[in-house]
Amino acid sequence: DQQVKQNSPSLSVQEGRISILNCDYTNSMFDYFLWYKKYPAEGPTFLISISSIKDKNEDGRFTVFLNKSAKHLSLHIVPSQPGDSAVYFCAASLFSGNTPLVFGKGTRLSVIA
Amino acid sequence: GAGVSQSPRYKVAKRGQDVALRCDPISGHVSLFWYQQALGQGPEFLTYFQNEAQLDKSGLPSDRFFAERPEGSVSTLKIQRTQQEDSAVYLCASSLAGQSHSNQPQHFGDGTRLSIL
Repeated sequence: DQQVKQNSPSLSVQEGRISILNCDYTNSMFDYFLWYKKYPAEGPTFLISISSIKDKNEDGRFTVFLNKSAKHLSLHIVPSQPGDSAVYFCAASLFSGNTPLVFGKGTRLSVIA
Repeated sequence: GAGVSQSPRYKVAKRGQDVALRCDPISGHVSLFWYQQALGQGPEFLTYFQNEAQLDKSGLPSDRFFAERPEGSVSTLKIQRTQQEDSAVYLCASSLAGQSHSNQPQHFGDGTRLSIL
């Protein structure tokens, strides 16, 4: 039973437009959420995170939104660039992060020039 | 700057052999995690340490898997009598988070790709 779900295996977006990646979770005890970006043959790279006490966190072109009542978070990338093409993983943890991460299966983003 | 370093990057072993995978975390990071990633899946938790203490090993798939971090820095994941189903990428992550820190992200190494023939 997957606790973190990324229901879109892939997404294609034109360069300069907005990319929206979605993630749903089932465990209401999760209180820290992260997005990672992964290129082939490399480890996941931390992008942005959000605590359950917030509903939005922004860092440059990346914004994460958290809707606790819907158990849903999303990552917005504006504007999208070809270098953003990668697999994006959503992850969640209990107790403010010092515990193992539970990952979704990932969404492959392709930004088309 | 030094990130999380894992070695070897690639390991090929015959079924039944023992393997050892090494992780050098970011200096000063208290917590260290091991994950296994199968093709097309997200990483799955194996075990983690806070300093030298192994706090949770519930994700280890069998008693053939063993991890240690004797001095609270470098960690080794050992797999005994390897099986074909052990073929995967093994990722190590470290975090500054400890008892006095919260909401610290985990930073990953590039992994060891293990292939069992």
